[in-house]
Amino acid sequence: EDQVTQSPEALRLQEGESSSLNCSYTVSGLRGLFWYRQDPGKGPEFLFTLYSAGEEKEKERLKATLTKKESFLHITAPKPEDSATYLCAVRSNRDDKIIFGKGTRLHILP
Amino acid sequence: DGGITQSPKYLFRKEGQNVTLSCEQNLNHDAMYWYRQDPGQGLRLIYYSQIVNDFQKGDIAEGYSVSREKKESFPLTVTSAQKNPTAFYLCASTPNRDYEKLFFGSGTQLSVL
Repeated sequence: EDQVTQSPEALRLQEGESSSLNCSYTVSGLRGLFWYRQDPGKGPEFLFTLYSAGEEKEKERLKATLTKKESFLHITAPKPEDSATYLCAVRSNRDDKIIFGKGTRLHILP
Repeated sequence: DGGITQSPKYLFRKEGQNVTLSCEQNLNHDAMYWYRQDPGQGLRLIYYSQIVNDFQKGDIAEGYSVSREKKESFPLTVTSAQKNPTAFYLCASTPNRDYEKLFFGSGTQLSVL
């Protein structure tokens, strides 16, 4: 069964304190791994798609990396506006469904 | 501006009542999706549609129904058979079944009175 596990569930950081969020996955043939950002009461906003091990994508203070078993979302020198829930999702070659993890709630303290 | 519009933002359901959540998109996307999100939980797929007049059940379709009579509209009905309907409902779309990036609406919070 395809599965996505994110850790930690919640993370509190001081402004400027870099850290990483983890997304572990098991899937029968990875078609793509996705990162989304979700603000409270809003729909998720797309950040990155990663397709193969070794691939990296960057956007401002965020960098996503991918291995054969997990993905990391690195946050460098975060600001309070980076506070949000970050969702990881995978899509397998087997069907059209996209499976989401439970997310990591990130809170950046000023 | 192109996008996905969900309405209403907040909805309350009485016992035994059916309610319908609206989802409209002007992105000319073929595929549309309904997800349910519970606090501290990931998004779970309810129904999806790859083309007009066709739709498939997702992982938690029981107690829900949908229709896709027009390309731009994909309404979700929460029936009285859904015993625990309180959740945040998200509609999403993609240009076609092979496009991975999901475009989401702003969601509808459904609560039971």
